[in-house]
Amino acid sequence: DTAVSQTPKYLVTQMGNDKSIKCEQNLGHDTMYWYKQDSKKFLKIMFSYNNKELIINETVPNRFSPKSPDKAHLNLHINSLELGDSAVYFCASSQDRRASGSLAKNIQYFGAGTRLSVL
Amino acid sequence: AQSVTQLGSHVSVSEGALVLLRCNYSSSVPPYLFWYVQYPNQGLQLLLKYTSAATLVKGINGFEAEFKKSETSFHLTKPSAHMSDAAEYFCAVSAILSGGYNKLIFGAGTRLAVHP
Repeated sequence: DTAVSQTPKYLVTQMGNDKSIKCEQNLGHDTMYWYKQDSKKFLKIMFSYNNKELIINETVPNRFSPKSPDKAHLNLHINSLELGDSAVYFCASSQDRRASGSLAKNIQYFGAGTRLSVL
Repeated sequence: AQSVTQLGSHVSVSEGALVLLRCNYSSSVPPYLFWYVQYPNQGLQLLLKYTSAATLVKGINGFEAEFKKSETSFHLTKPSAHMSDAAEYFCAVSAILSGGYNKLIFGAGTRLAVHP
């Protein structure tokens, strides 16, 4: 069983389109994240949800809208796609929102990534 | 604010040679530090983590890292490289946010190449 699964694995689309990436975790975690990895492999957090509540919202264009229907799912919807959105998007999850808690609970588990190519 | 610097975007070693990947961190509080590995076209996998219980941390696949507070370093080593170690390696620090939340701040990554 895949712990953190993302769909689709590859997404090729035209500029201006709207697309969604789905993420599901079966680890029972209560915190989920979206990261963007650019062409130079640099990883940066975009959003984080804890029990369906948005807790991290980095400087990301408002064309990106995360949605968490329940704590096991965190989807990413992107409107009006631009060339610069081409990247690999990683979903991750962790058990405990509190940094002061057990370090074991702060480990983030990553999905395999979604490679988005905007043409 | 926490940050991570990985020295050397590319490291190349011979099979059987020592692997040393450098990571320096900046943190105003005792840091939580991690090394992740990314194999080609795959997600990130945790190699090891610093818990503050021991300065020498052992991880999977024979990797280990030593936390040196005086040098603000958390370098990753492996005594003998294997071809299967070729991958991208990321050092990360856990940044503590208001409300007790945290996020990972990653270094730029180091690509390890292993040649016969």
